[in-house]
Amino acid sequence: RKEVEQDPGPFNVPEGATVAFNCTYSNSASQSFFWYRQDCRKEPKLLMSVYSSGNEDGRFTAQLNRASQYISLLIRDSKLSDSATYLCVADFGNEKLTFGTGTRLTIIP
Amino acid sequence: DVKVTQSSRYLVKRTGEKVFLECVQDMDHENMFWYRQDPGLGLRLIYFSYDVKMKEKGDIPEGYSVSREKKERFSLILESASTNQTSMYLCASSLGQGARGYTFGSGTRLTVV
Repeated sequence: RKEVEQDPGPFNVPEGATVAFNCTYSNSASQSFFWYRQDCRKEPKLLMSVYSSGNEDGRFTAQLNRASQYISLLIRDSKLSDSATYLCVADFGNEKLTFGTGTRLTIIP
Repeated sequence: DVKVTQSSRYLVKRTGEKVFLECVQDMDHENMFWYRQDPGLGLRLIYFSYDVKMKEKGDIPEGYSVSREKKERFSLILESASTNQTSMYLCASSLGQGARGYTFGSGTRLTVV
C-alpha cells in the first residue's frame, strides 16, 4: 500500500464549479502535510500547507483529518488557470517529503 | 525568491555512459534532495543531503550516487546509465529547521538510448 494515495482523476469540471480532492495517508506519525500544484511539463510548486484547524487561501481551502488520516483540498469558483495536477504530500519527519501520484484537474470553459 | 537551478533541461545519453546532473540553490538552504518522476509512480526520492559532505539514501538509490562538496551544489551521478533510468529528474531544496515545503528546480528530462 502506498504511503500517500490519491485518486488520479482526471477530474473534468466546468468553470465556476466547486471541486474537492481527498488524499489518504497510511503513516499516523506523519507530521506535516502540503498540497503542491504541478503544471504540464513544469516542476511542482507549493500551493499551501495543511493544518488540522483548516487553512484557507482565497478560493482554496485545505483540511487535515488526523483521526481518519486524510487531507482534502477544496477549490471554489474554479478558473481555467486552475487546470493542473495537484499533489498531496506528507512529511514523515526529517523534512523528507512523500508525494502522492497526483490528481489531474481540467477546468472546462 | 529561492532559486534552484538544474544545469540541463533535456539530456540524451547512451547506455553505459556516466551521467552527471547538477543542481545549485542560491539561498543557503541546508537540505537538498533528488527525485525522479515517472507517470503513474509520482515522485520518488533517490538521495538527500542535510549538510555538506553528508548524504543519505532515499527510496530508490540503486544505480545512483550523489556528491555535495559545497552547500549550494548537489550533484546526482548515474554511474552507468541504463534505459530504465529514462525519467524526469527533479532537484529540491529546503531551509530545514521546521520550515515548510520544498523549492524545486525546473527538472531535467533524461533519455537514455
